[in-house]
Amino acid sequence: SQTIHQWPATLVQPVGSPLSLECTVEGTSNPNLYWYRQAAGRGLQLLFYSVGIGQISSEVPQNLSASRPQDRQFILSSKKLLLSDSGFYLCAWSVWGAYEQYFGPGTRLTVT
Amino acid sequence: DAKTTQPTSMDCAEGRAANLPCNHSTISGNEYVYWYRQIHSQGPQYIIHGLKNNETNEMASLIITEDRKSSTLILPHATLRDTAVYYCIVVLQGAQKLVFGQGTRLTINP
Repeated sequence: SQTIHQWPATLVQPVGSPLSLECTVEGTSNPNLYWYRQAAGRGLQLLFYSVGIGQISSEVPQNLSASRPQDRQFILSSKKLLLSDSGFYLCAWSVWGAYEQYFGPGTRLTVT
Repeated sequence: DAKTTQPTSMDCAEGRAANLPCNHSTISGNEYVYWYRQIHSQGPQYIIHGLKNNETNEMASLIITEDRKSSTLILPHATLRDTAVYYCIVVLQGAQKLVFGQGTRLTINP
């Protein structure tokens, strides 16, 4: 069966520090991968999605970036965090061509 | 993708059927209706989807009107664990992504 992992579960980082969140998927090949952010009390915002290794589509201009170095690995990064980067970060995967997305447990990031 | 409109919040008694409406009056013929829910502090969970016909699975039923301009998600016997935000999403066939709106906050009361 397929599983999706995200770590860390929680993170507290000072403003201006770098960020790296990792997401891995097991039990499937060539998945579509997604990064979402949910600010406190707000809806889900799609940040990036990827349909293959090295292929990244950005949805919102910001100081975040994403990379997909391996088929089932998706990384969210920032060189310098802002206070507004605080939120709940969710990774998701789907089979190519399908719209059922399966979400990871999320990382709760607090920038202080 | 077509825009959807959902009530901000709803309440339902435990054991009763919860009926969550969604309006998608600008939906086109090749757009699907998808439903997800998000329980507090968790990632969203896929529930069900449909194109034209009504659909049922182990979690819920989806009723789509004949003109496809609205739909209703039905949780037949709501439990306290069904308390969540429910998202109705219209997806264009071939699109690579979902766009989540604000959803309906459903509270199941004992």
